[in-house]
Amino acid sequence: DAGITQSPRHKVTETGTPVTLRCHQTENHRYMYWYRQDPGHGLRLIHYSYGVKDTDKGEVSDGYSVSRSKTEDFLLTLESATSSQTSVYFCAISHPAGGEETQYFGPGTRLLVL
Amino acid sequence: SQKIEQNSEALNIQEGKTATLTCNYTNYSPAYLQWYRQDPGRGPVFLLLIRENEKEKRKERLKVTFDTTLKQSLFHITASQPADSATYLCALGPPSYNTDKLIFGTGTRLQVFP
Repeated sequence: DAGITQSPRHKVTETGTPVTLRCHQTENHRYMYWYRQDPGHGLRLIHYSYGVKDTDKGEVSDGYSVSRSKTEDFLLTLESATSSQTSVYFCAISHPAGGEETQYFGPGTRLLVL
Repeated sequence: SQKIEQNSEALNIQEGKTATLTCNYTNYSPAYLQWYRQDPGRGPVFLLLIRENEKEKRKERLKVTFDTTLKQSLFHITASQPADSATYLCALGPPSYNTDKLIFGTGTRLQVFP
């Protein structure tokens, strides 16, 4: 998985609790992304980062926050988890060149919010 | 808003035949288009990129076409094998004049049976 790890790989939590997912890369890529994947919706971008402390919102950012204090780590936090945030979360990295971008994905985190 | 469509129904074909998957899009002018493969429980893996000025791209048994007039890409796997069974995602790259992120389709599941 291109030097990308995600932790935890599986998590069950209760509504209203905070949850933090971690993405770690060893590729020194500048860009990092968090997606969620749900049946019928495909991959939807939550937040992304284009450098340390530089982040921006994606298509479905409500209820999520991110932080990137080091090049290799990108954290996704659900401040107060809801059942609608039950999903599979993927981290991706990229190093755009020449106006093109290929993304490399981690193995995913399966989150169940009860 | 832009829209990307892939056939949500699974494609079932016999081993040795050519599989053809379709990606259609509207209200967008991507500078390039990509295809990814996703196996169950894993993150997507990049396969091919084709640019707007390219009609066709090949890689081993894979062939991708890109018709910017029809706003369509076709993904072909020749001499298909059961190991090709997976979900295939297309992704649109942003137009050359902006910095939008990749837009992913929902994917088409391919099942190759012996």
